Amino acid sequence: AAGVIQSPRHLIKEKRETATLKCYPIPRHDTVYWYQQGPGQDPQFLISFYEKMQSDKGSIPDRFSAQQFSDYHSELNMSSLELGDSALYFCASSLTGTGADTIYFGEGSWLTVV
Amino acid sequence: GQQLNQSPQSMFIQEGEDVSMNCTSSSIFNTWLWYKQDPGEGPVLLIALYKAGELTSNGRLTAQFGITRKDSFLNISASIPSDVGIYFCAGQLRGSYNTDKLIFGTGTRLQVFP
Repeated sequence: AAGVIQSPRHLIKEKRETATLKCYPIPRHDTVYWYQQGPGQDPQFLISFYEKMQSDKGSIPDRFSAQQFSDYHSELNMSSLELGDSALYFCASSLTGTGADTIYFGEGSWLTVV
Repeated sequence: GQQLNQSPQSMFIQEGEDVSMNCTSSSIFNTWLWYKQDPGEGPVLLIALYKAGELTSNGRLTAQFGITRKDSFLNISASIPSDVGIYFCAGQLRGSYNTDKLIFGTGTRLQVFP
């Protein structure tokens, strides 16, 4: 079965640069979530979208923005990168209304800021 | 904000032993979930709990949702080497448009020795 696809899997950027992460949800899923997991930390919720509308916002820095497109894929844009942005970024998708047990996570995108 | 505390932080056990870990929160959650994360990969759902007091099993895994909806435990019986990983509890919050936001616990790192 198709899973949540994230790209790129690995990304190295320098401080103050910009990075874009992409997420392709499971087919027919209408909601995407973004999480940030620092080294040795638990995943922290950043933001979510339902039918291209922002549905919830967590601890997402102002330097970050995200959107969901008409084909339901989502992109997380990160600008003015800082060393502390180095983390594993997860995207998850679900079909809204079917329960939290239908949230599936992608394998993540490793961002290293040097 | 909501915080979920897991204990123990790490466990080192011998193959065949039983494992128990728990998760407590200052907030009430309607749904609790337990995930396993392998290094460099996304969290994978193990068990979802929906009702206070509910006891649910999935193979060698058993989890219970506390009566107060503020705690949960996960037991793994007869551990095997592939049980190695980080186990996270997560509480579900309902966001706008009925989307689900997950608040993750601090994680329990499990190491199993043959």
